Amino acid sequence: EPEVTQTPSHQVTQMGQEVILRCVPISNHLYFYWYRQILGQKVEFLVSFYNNEISEKSEIFDDQFSVERPDGSNFTLKIRSTKLEDSAMYFCASSRTGLSNYGYTFGSGTRLTVV
Amino acid sequence: AQTVTQSQPEMSVQEAETVTLSCTYDTSESNYYLFWYKQPPSRQMILVIRQEAYKQQNATENRFSVNFQKAAKSFSLKISDSQLGDTAMYFCAFMKLEHGSSNTGKLIFGQGTTLQVKP
Repeated sequence: EPEVTQTPSHQVTQMGQEVILRCVPISNHLYFYWYRQILGQKVEFLVSFYNNEISEKSEIFDDQFSVERPDGSNFTLKIRSTKLEDSAMYFCASSRTGLSNYGYTFGSGTRLTVV
Repeated sequence: AQTVTQSQPEMSVQEAETVTLSCTYDTSESNYYLFWYKQPPSRQMILVIRQEAYKQQNATENRFSVNFQKAAKSFSLKISDSQLGDTAMYFCAFMKLEHGSSNTGKLIFGQGTTLQVKP
């Protein structure tokens, strides 16, 4: 069964550093998403991406965040200057259509620890 | 704005028994989807079941079924014949359905319910 692949599985970074979280969506999917889950809390929407542009973003997704699909296969989330409160699990997801009535396929997540 | 509420932070059930997880939501939309996702200790998000709001019939997937009450904005998940592998956090989620290219597919999650299946 096709999978969404996220790397790395765990990243530790110093406060103020830039991090890039990587995702390889399912190959025939057109819509891509990032979600965040602070430990023990609910999953929060960050951004959706379609046709090489952001289609929706949340209030969390401020100027320190950016997304990119640099080569037609990878989908990345960049955090420019990490803060302690950015420590969380970050999930990438993809879907074939925006209707997504079948739900997304989520990756297994990247645990980001900011120290 | 839409909200999703899961009022049961933790639940437990004996193996082979039946358990129901509650979810309510608030929306002014008439067209939307509802989902239940399972998050085991591995933290992977796994789709359990989905429901289209325009369908009156409750969705069923093997041991998992929902009780969708549109007027009450309630979407509960029933797990029959609970198994040890059902131990996980369960999230209820809402997706607004917009027409055409404006549909972004954003999911709004509830706070989650941790389910422990006991042997």
